[in-house]
Amino acid sequence: DAKTTQPPSMDCAEGRAANLPCNHSTISGNEYVYWYRQIHSQGPQYIIHGLKNNETNEMASLIITEDRKSSTLILPHATLRDTAVYYCIVRASNYQLIWGAGTKLIIKP
Amino acid sequence: EPEVTQTPSHQVTQMGQEVILRCVPISNHLYFYWYRQILGQKVEFLVSFYNNEISEKSEIFDDQFSVERPDGSNFTLKIRSTKLEDSAMYFCASSTGTGSNQPQHFGDGTRLSIL
Repeated sequence: DAKTTQPPSMDCAEGRAANLPCNHSTISGNEYVYWYRQIHSQGPQYIIHGLKNNETNEMASLIITEDRKSSTLILPHATLRDTAVYYCIVRASNYQLIWGAGTKLIIKP
Repeated sequence: EPEVTQTPSHQVTQMGQEVILRCVPISNHLYFYWYRQILGQKVEFLVSFYNNEISEKSEIFDDQFSVERPDGSNFTLKIRSTKLEDSAMYFCASSTGTGSNQPQHFGDGTRLSIL
């Protein structure tokens, strides 16, 4: 089973920041938090990952709490094309990613 | 930006027939994976592959499934005798390494429909 808990759905207005929460209270010290998204009918797209420190790239920012039990993915200026299912994954092994149901993010005009 | 490519995008096959799904991983990646997603369900891990060997496989990956890297660029998933329940999206992924710090990058999948 997935080691993460995410809200099933969220809405965000276009142009605003989308903040997607994830709980991973049983995360181990060497496990990374990964975020992927899946736009309808496409393959999962890697967004960002981190261990302890906050991370930022051209797509998003990842904020991890100090105790590492939760994190937030931030899309700074959401567009309609950001409508997708967003998955928070704790890397549980060297090989497989274990997927939950994710958060369906709907960006509204 | 380099990407994982999968062919065909859609495969329709009669139950009991063999099917081969093809993937071209990102060129400098060494680790390869197959996942599947039944319509409306979660993405599920099938198998990982490195150095011409299976590294890890799930319970789903039974004797009906096999993987191969027939040449320097392709990575294939074969289902020997397809069943109705094999209908799903099949995603190939690749990564430079297997460490927790190495992201897997996915293709857009092959939709397999078993009739």
